[in-house]
Amino acid sequence: EAGVTQSPTHLIKTRGQQATLRCSPISGHTSVYWYQQALGLGLQFLLWYDEGEERNRGNFPPRFSGRQFPNYSSELNVNALELEDSALYLCASSLAGEGAKLFFGSGTQLSVL
Amino acid sequence: AQSVTQPDIHITVSEGASLELRCNYSYGATPYLFWYVQSPGQGLQLLLKYFSGDTLVQGIKGFEAEFKRSQSSFNLRKPSVHWSDAAEYFCAVGVYGGSQGNLIFGKGTKLSVKP
Repeated sequence: EAGVTQSPTHLIKTRGQQATLRCSPISGHTSVYWYQQALGLGLQFLLWYDEGEERNRGNFPPRFSGRQFPNYSSELNVNALELEDSALYLCASSLAGEGAKLFFGSGTQLSVL
Repeated sequence: AQSVTQPDIHITVSEGASLELRCNYSYGATPYLFWYVQSPGQGLQLLLKYFSGDTLVQGIKGFEAEFKRSQSSFNLRKPSVHWSDAAEYFCAVGVYGGSQGNLIFGKGTKLSVKP
């Protein structure tokens, strides 16, 4: 069974650009979660999507946004990139109602120059 | 505010030695607690979780953790470490019971294993 897949593995952007990160959940999982893992800041919750709707949001500015598609895959968009957005972005998925058991992907390493 | 503290940034143990990684949390309600492991270039893998009941929780790869409410701790232990256990370990507390995927993570403890 395929796990959570994320693409691209690495992404290099410059300040002010936009970045789009993609995530495919485990088959059968309807919930997708995004976390940011920045050096020195640890893992921070970004967004939670379930059945195509944004259900919860962490303490991040509005330029961090995303969506979930009908096939439950998800995109994370980061607009107006800043240097401090450089981080590993992890996606996780879970079965509906089982948000306590998250399965994580390997992440997208975003570097902002 | 909820928080998780992992006091040890980096720990080195010899292969075959016992291991204990510390985790302290601050959360007003009954916590849902988790330990994850992250190998280099990999995502996070769930080792074990505590929701309620027996305070000693068994996980995968021979790990266990004990919930001590009086100490607000959830320390991870393994009786005999293998070289393949070298990785970074994260403790997390689930907000709203963890049902909404909003986990608050500690900063992590990097484990190195000496041959």
